[in-house]
Amino acid sequence: DAMVIQNPRYQVTQFGKPVTLSCSQTLNHNVMYWYQQKSSQAPKLLFHYYDKDFNNEADTPDNFQSRRPNTSFCFLDIRSPGLGDAAMYLCATSSAMTGAEDTEAFFGQGTRLTVV
Amino acid sequence: ELKVEQNPLFLSMQEGKNYTIYCNYSTTSDRLYWYRQDPGKSLESLFVLLSNGAVKQEGRLMASLDTKARLSTLHITAAVHDLSATYFCAVDRGYNNNDMRFGAGTRLTVKP
Repeated sequence: DAMVIQNPRYQVTQFGKPVTLSCSQTLNHNVMYWYQQKSSQAPKLLFHYYDKDFNNEADTPDNFQSRRPNTSFCFLDIRSPGLGDAAMYLCATSSAMTGAEDTEAFFGQGTRLTVV
Repeated sequence: ELKVEQNPLFLSMQEGKNYTIYCNYSTTSDRLYWYRQDPGKSLESLFVLLSNGAVKQEGRLMASLDTKARLSTLHITAAVHDLSATYFCAVDRGYNNNDMRFGAGTRLTVKP
Protein backbone atom coordinates (compact mmCIF):
# COMPACT_ATOMS: atom_id res chain seq x y z
CA ASP A 1 0.00 0.00 0.00
CA ALA A 2 1.25 3.45 -0.88
CA MET A 3 2.54 5.26 2.20
CA VAL A 4 3.22 8.66 0.65
CA ILE A 5 0.53 9.76 -1.75
CA GLN A 6 0.74 12.75 -4.02
CA ASN A 7 -2.19 14.26 -5.85
CA PRO A 8 -2.65 14.81 -8.64
CA ARG A 9 -0.15 12.70 -10.58
CA TYR A 10 -0.36 15.10 -13.51
CA GLN A 11 -1.32 18.75 -13.36
CA VAL A 12 -1.67 21.19 -16.23
CA THR A 13 -2.01 24.82 -15.27
CA GLN A 14 -2.09 28.09 -17.10
CA PHE A 15 0.71 30.58 -16.88
CA GLY A 16 0.12 32.73 -13.81
CA LYS A 17 -2.78 30.67 -12.45
CA PRO A 18 -2.25 29.51 -8.84
CA VAL A 19 -1.93 25.79 -8.34
CA THR A 20 -1.75 23.55 -5.27
CA LEU A 21 -0.12 20.15 -5.06
CA SER A 22 -0.85 17.85 -2.16
CA CYS A 23 0.98 15.15 -0.27
CA SER A 24 -0.31 12.82 2.41
CA GLN A 25 1.43 10.14 4.45
CA THR A 26 0.37 7.24 6.62
CA LEU A 27 3.76 6.77 8.30
CA ASN A 28 3.40 9.39 11.04
CA HIS A 29 6.82 10.73 10.07
CA ASN A 30 7.71 14.08 11.56
CA VAL A 31 9.77 15.35 8.61
CA MET A 32 8.25 16.15 5.23
CA TYR A 33 10.10 17.48 2.21
CA TRP A 34 9.22 19.08 -1.10
CA TYR A 35 11.58 18.73 -4.04
CA GLN A 36 11.54 20.09 -7.56
CA GLN A 37 13.09 17.89 -10.23
CA LYS A 38 13.60 19.06 -13.77
CA SER A 39 14.47 16.79 -16.62
CA SER A 40 17.88 15.10 -16.28
CA GLN A 41 18.60 16.93 -13.02
CA ALA A 42 18.81 15.92 -9.39
CA PRO A 43 15.93 16.66 -7.03
CA LYS A 44 16.30 20.15 -5.61
CA LEU A 45 15.13 20.75 -2.06
CA LEU A 46 12.55 23.54 -1.88
CA PHE A 47 11.64 23.31 1.80
CA HIS A 48 11.10 20.86 4.59
CA TYR A 49 9.15 20.62 7.82
CA TYR A 50 10.40 19.25 11.10
CA ASP A 51 7.01 18.76 12.76
CA LYS A 52 5.46 22.19 12.29
CA ASP A 53 8.79 23.99 12.01
CA PHE A 54 9.15 25.25 8.46
CA ASN A 55 12.58 25.43 6.81
CA ASN A 56 12.80 27.34 3.58
CA GLU A 57 15.81 26.96 1.32
CA ALA A 58 17.51 30.29 0.67
CA ASP A 59 17.16 29.96 -3.10
CA THR A 60 13.53 28.84 -3.16
CA PRO A 61 11.56 31.53 -5.02
CA ASP A 62 8.89 33.45 -3.10
CA ASN A 63 6.45 32.15 -5.69
CA PHE A 64 6.57 28.81 -3.84
CA GLN A 65 4.79 28.44 -0.53
CA SER A 66 3.96 25.48 1.66
CA ARG A 67 1.49 24.50 4.35
CA ARG A 68 1.44 21.61 6.76
CA PRO A 69 -1.87 21.67 8.63
CA ASN A 70 -1.20 18.40 10.45
CA THR A 71 1.29 15.52 10.54
CA SER A 72 -0.30 13.69 7.65
CA PHE A 73 -0.71 16.41 5.04
CA CYS A 74 1.54 18.89 3.32
CA PHE A 75 0.76 21.24 0.43
CA LEU A 76 2.85 23.05 -2.13
CA ASP A 77 1.33 26.27 -3.45
CA ILE A 78 2.71 27.93 -6.56
CA ARG A 79 1.22 31.37 -6.60
CA SER A 80 1.98 32.40 -10.17
CA PRO A 81 3.43 29.52 -12.16
CA GLY A 82 5.84 30.39 -14.92
CA LEU A 83 7.05 28.25 -17.77
CA GLY A 84 10.24 27.61 -15.82
CA ASP A 85 8.27 25.96 -13.02
CA ALA A 86 7.31 23.01 -15.17
CA ALA A 87 8.87 20.02 -13.45
CA MET A 88 8.24 16.90 -11.40
CA TYR A 89 7.45 17.78 -7.80
CA LEU A 90 8.34 15.14 -5.26
CA CYS A 91 7.19 14.84 -1.67
CA ALA A 92 9.13 12.73 0.83
CA THR A 93 8.90 11.85 4.51
CA SER A 94 11.30 10.59 7.12
CA SER A 95 11.58 10.07 10.83
CA ALA A 96 14.03 12.44 12.49
CA MET A 97 14.72 10.20 15.46
CA THR A 98 18.49 9.71 15.25
CA GLY A 99 19.42 6.09 15.65
CA ALA A 100 15.84 4.94 15.25
CA GLU A 101 15.27 1.76 13.31
CA ASP A 102 12.77 3.52 11.10
CA THR A 103 15.33 5.53 9.18
CA GLU A 104 14.22 5.11 5.59
CA ALA A 105 12.91 8.13 3.70
CA PHE A 106 9.91 7.48 1.49
CA PHE A 107 8.96 9.30 -1.67
CA GLY A 108 5.58 9.77 -3.26
CA GLN A 109 5.00 9.05 -6.93
CA GLY A 110 5.41 12.71 -7.79
CA THR A 111 3.26 15.29 -9.54
CA ARG A 112 4.29 16.27 -13.04
CA LEU A 113 3.41 19.91 -13.54
CA THR A 114 2.96 21.38 -17.01
CA VAL A 115 2.53 25.13 -17.46
CA VAL A 116 0.82 26.30 -20.64
CA GLU B 1 25.99 24.36 3.65
CA LEU B 2 25.95 20.67 2.95
CA LYS B 3 27.28 19.79 -0.49
CA VAL B 4 27.04 16.35 -2.05
CA GLU B 5 29.26 15.39 -4.97
CA GLN B 6 28.73 12.26 -6.99
CA ASN B 7 30.83 10.73 -9.73
CA PRO B 8 30.86 9.68 -12.40
CA LEU B 9 27.84 11.48 -13.83
CA PHE B 10 27.57 9.06 -16.75
CA LEU B 11 28.57 5.43 -16.77
CA SER B 12 28.32 3.00 -19.64
CA MET B 13 29.10 -0.60 -18.74
CA GLN B 14 29.16 -3.94 -20.42
CA GLU B 15 27.04 -6.66 -18.90
CA GLY B 16 29.02 -8.77 -16.49
CA LYS B 17 31.45 -6.01 -15.51
CA ASN B 18 31.96 -4.40 -12.11
CA TYR B 19 32.05 -0.72 -11.30
CA THR B 20 31.81 1.73 -8.39
CA ILE B 21 29.94 5.01 -8.01
CA TYR B 22 31.31 7.51 -5.49
CA CYS B 23 29.54 9.99 -3.27
CA ASN B 24 31.39 12.62 -1.24
CA TYR B 25 29.75 15.04 1.17
CA SER B 26 31.02 18.13 2.90
CA THR B 27 29.78 18.10 6.51
CA THR B 28 29.07 15.71 9.32
CA SER B 29 25.87 13.89 8.53
CA ASP B 30 23.41 11.54 10.13
CA ARG B 31 22.29 9.35 7.25
CA LEU B 32 23.29 8.56 3.73
CA TYR B 33 20.79 7.25 1.20
CA TRP B 34 21.09 5.62 -2.18
CA TYR B 35 18.16 5.83 -4.58
CA ARG B 36 17.37 4.50 -8.00
CA GLN B 37 15.27 6.42 -10.50
CA ASP B 38 13.87 5.12 -13.77
CA PRO B 39 12.88 7.62 -16.49
CA GLY B 40 9.68 9.46 -15.64
CA LYS B 41 9.34 7.74 -12.29
CA SER B 42 9.84 8.66 -8.66
CA LEU B 43 12.73 7.58 -6.46
CA GLU B 44 13.12 4.04 -5.21
CA SER B 45 15.01 3.60 -1.96
CA LEU B 46 17.96 1.20 -2.20
CA PHE B 47 19.97 1.66 0.99
CA VAL B 48 20.17 3.74 4.15
CA LEU B 49 23.57 3.89 5.83
CA LEU B 50 23.88 5.24 9.33
CA SER B 51 27.26 4.52 10.82
CA ASN B 52 30.91 4.40 9.94
CA GLY B 53 31.86 1.17 8.27
CA ALA B 54 28.26 0.29 7.42
CA VAL B 55 27.93 -2.05 4.48
CA LYS B 56 24.67 -3.20 2.93
CA GLN B 57 24.07 -5.49 -0.01
CA GLU B 58 21.04 -6.23 -2.14
CA GLY B 59 21.51 -8.45 -5.15
CA ARG B 60 24.25 -7.02 -7.38
CA LEU B 61 24.46 -3.74 -5.47
CA MET B 62 26.54 -3.08 -2.38
CA ALA B 63 26.80 0.21 -0.54
CA SER B 64 29.33 1.28 2.06
CA LEU B 65 29.94 4.31 4.23
CA ASP B 66 33.13 5.88 5.59
CA THR B 67 32.06 8.78 7.77
CA LYS B 68 35.63 9.85 8.50
CA ALA B 69 36.35 10.31 4.80
CA ARG B 70 32.76 11.51 4.21
CA LEU B 71 32.53 9.02 1.39
CA SER B 72 30.02 6.44 0.33
CA THR B 73 30.34 3.98 -2.52
CA LEU B 74 27.81 2.01 -4.51
CA HIS B 75 29.44 -1.04 -6.04
CA ILE B 76 27.87 -2.87 -8.94
CA THR B 77 28.84 -6.49 -9.43
CA ALA B 78 28.35 -8.34 -12.71
CA ALA B 79 26.06 -5.69 -14.17
CA VAL B 80 22.90 -6.68 -16.02
CA HIS B 81 20.73 -4.59 -18.35
CA ASP B 82 17.98 -4.24 -15.73
CA LEU B 83 20.32 -2.12 -13.62
CA SER B 84 20.23 0.66 -16.22
CA ALA B 85 18.82 3.71 -14.39
CA THR B 86 19.95 6.89 -12.67
CA TYR B 87 21.39 6.42 -9.19
CA PHE B 88 21.41 9.20 -6.63
CA CYS B 89 23.05 9.49 -3.27
CA ALA B 90 21.51 11.83 -0.71
CA VAL B 91 22.72 13.01 2.67
CA ASP B 92 20.68 14.07 5.69
CA ARG B 93 22.51 16.07 8.35
CA GLY B 94 19.97 15.07 10.98
CA TYR B 95 20.29 16.64 14.44
CA ASN B 96 17.31 18.88 13.65
CA ASN B 97 18.84 19.88 10.31
CA ASN B 98 16.92 17.33 8.29
CA ASP B 99 17.73 18.82 4.91
CA MET B 100 18.17 15.73 2.76
CA ARG B 101 20.26 16.86 -0.21
CA PHE B 102 21.09 15.00 -3.38
CA GLY B 103 24.14 14.42 -5.47
CA ALA B 104 23.89 15.13 -9.20
CA GLY B 105 23.17 11.51 -10.02
CA THR B 106 24.92 8.84 -12.07
CA ARG B 107 23.18 7.77 -15.26
CA LEU B 108 24.08 4.13 -15.71
CA THR B 109 23.66 2.31 -18.99
CA VAL B 110 24.40 -1.40 -19.11
CA LYS B 111 24.99 -2.71 -22.60
CA PRO B 112 24.71 -6.34 -23.70
